[in-house]
Amino acid sequence: GESVGLHLPTLSVQEGDNSIINCAYSNSASDYFIWYKQESGKGPQFIIDIRSNMDKRQGQRVTVLLNKTVKHLSLQIAATQPGDSAVYFCAETRGNKLTFGTGTQLKVEL
Amino acid sequence: DGGITQSPKYLFRKEGQNVTLSCEQNLNHDAMYWYRQDPGQGLRLIYYSQIVNDFQKGDIAEGYSVSREKKESFPLTVTSAQKNPTAFYLCASREIGTEAFFGQGTRLTVV
Repeated sequence: GESVGLHLPTLSVQEGDNSIINCAYSNSASDYFIWYKQESGKGPQFIIDIRSNMDKRQGQRVTVLLNKTVKHLSLQIAATQPGDSAVYFCAETRGNKLTFGTGTQLKVEL
Repeated sequence: DGGITQSPKYLFRKEGQNVTLSCEQNLNHDAMYWYRQDPGQGLRLIYYSQIVNDFQKGDIAEGYSVSREKKESFPLTVTSAQKNPTAFYLCASREIGTEAFFGQGTRLTVV
């Protein structure tokens, strides 16, 4: 049904600190996970992905951790910059179906 | 230049009218998706299509319809049965097992 009145959780960090954004997923059959960044009024942009047979993957300044035991995904951003301010979503796939988590608003304070 | 194109960027319609949102991709992807996003909220799946002439309902399909007559095109119709159609609509495409690429969205306002 419709969800009304929900607001995204917010994470505020100081410029230069590391950020950790968390996501819980519900379906143990999910086989592929993706993190996206969305700036206001734009479509989401791919950051990093991880398959269910892995528990960690690193990119440039970003790391994704997957804990299948507790169905938890995290995105770590090193040395957070003002340009990292955005909403971050995790997504999971079960076959062809691609669904998104609620999202977290990251605010970088100077 | 490859990508996904949604048009128009802004759309205004009177209440009770059907409206069709366009989504075209030249990435040769098999799968395409439509999502709805309300202010301060996440993306909710409306419909998705794995292949031409086939599509499945997502989590909030009521009041929407789609077609997939060509691989590159996946139009979404917002019907008068959709009770609260004002929202930001996002289209995406992907190859199975890889990330989805998104268009820039269409902001629909029903007055």
